[in-house]
Amino acid sequence: DGGITQSPKYLFRKEGQNVTLSCEQNLNHDAMYWYRQDPGQGLRLIYYSQIVNDFQKGDIAEGYSVSREKKESFPLTVTSAQKNPTAFYLCASSGANVLTFGAGSRLTVL
Amino acid sequence: GQQVMQIPQYQHVQEGEDFTTYCNSSTTLSNIQWYKQRPGGHPVFLIQLVKSGEVKKQKRLTFQFGEAKKNSSLHITATQTTDVGTYFCAGTPGGYNKLIFGAGTRLAVHP
Repeated sequence: DGGITQSPKYLFRKEGQNVTLSCEQNLNHDAMYWYRQDPGQGLRLIYYSQIVNDFQKGDIAEGYSVSREKKESFPLTVTSAQKNPTAFYLCASSGANVLTFGAGSRLTVL
Repeated sequence: GQQVMQIPQYQHVQEGEDFTTYCNSSTTLSNIQWYKQRPGGHPVFLIQLVKSGEVKKQKRLTFQFGEAKKNSSLHITATQTTDVGTYFCAGTPGGYNKLIFGAGTRLAVHP
């Protein structure tokens, strides 16, 4: 089945630690995205990549980093510089301008 | 920055009642998309509208794109408990290459 796989589904982190969220797609989409969702709020764009080896900052990129070494993969690192990292993180890819989302990763900072 | 406003934020309805959520942009949108997120789930694409004044239907759901391409609505007729979730609109402002999401409308349906 074609889709987007995010892992882990749940992640707990101590303050000061970096964590990396995985996102893999087999839809052959060029563009991939990372969104952050907080309770009762919409989706805010963290980073996006329209092609391999290229990515751009979204609206809330501070404290996050990404890489796009392969078309299928777009991992997100939440660094210790992110002041309030507890949130639900959604990865997506787009084909024909329509977003397909992964199931999400819920990060909790203890 | 570019914003897409969505109202209401939250709505309770009794099963069988109708429901409408509205989406407004200060700038012209080249398209508008609607997504549904079930509780505990992830957003799933419902539909895309691109033409001024366009109306599309999916069973009990009716989607409209305004004549000025600055607003849109989603109307659900005779809600069912399966309609529970958060409905997001997302638009691409003209000359912009990213989707801007509204904050979503959370729908609760009481049996």
